[in-house]
Amino acid sequence: QKEVEQNSGPLSVPEGAIASLNCTYSDRGSQSFFWYRQYSGKSPELIMFIYSNGDKEDGRFTAQLNKASQYVSLLIRDSQPSDSATYLCAVKGSWGKLQFGAGTQVVVTP
Amino acid sequence: EPEVTQTPSHQVTQMGQEVILRCVPISNHLYFYWYRQILGQKVEFLVSFYNNEISEKSEIFDDQFSVERPDGSNFTLKIRSTKLEDSAMYFCASRPGPTGELFFGEGSRLTVL
Repeated sequence: QKEVEQNSGPLSVPEGAIASLNCTYSDRGSQSFFWYRQYSGKSPELIMFIYSNGDKEDGRFTAQLNKASQYVSLLIRDSQPSDSATYLCAVKGSWGKLQFGAGTQVVVTP
Repeated sequence: EPEVTQTPSHQVTQMGQEVILRCVPISNHLYFYWYRQILGQKVEFLVSFYNNEISEKSEIFDDQFSVERPDGSNFTLKIRSTKLEDSAMYFCASRPGPTGELFFGEGSRLTVL
């Protein structure tokens, strides 16, 4: 069974600080990795994806990928109360399907 | 901006009843998916659909489930005889090709009593 693991949290972050989220995956052959944000009762919305080892930045978000360690992370800089949500790590498998982790709940405190 | 639309947004049904959840994927997309999320749990893959047939299905997607694309625009998920444990949010998703962003609908909440 291919697994995607995340710490469930909640991760409490002061407003303006950096939130650091981690994800590990079991399938060494995985090539594509995604971070989604999900507000309570809503559908997942894509934050960013990463395919290559290293860092990828998009605004306040940075994704980091280390395929040798089977590890993906997401940094949220200058955290805002609107960033309070559950962050889902997902790994692309066959036929484009995504396998999701259980998500990390982030709470940004003013 | 094009979006994936799902109906109904919420359906309440009695155990043993048949339910059909409907989705209209984005028009130029070719890959279609159903996911479900039981309250407080992870988003789980149910089935992928491409070229008018199921390309992959999970262990959850047993004989009680079926999918159809009857008219080139709608993509439906049918649950033949609902169980209490089918209560969940069901998300439809689509993408234009096998890679890139997966676009999710707003979800259909199914409550089985």
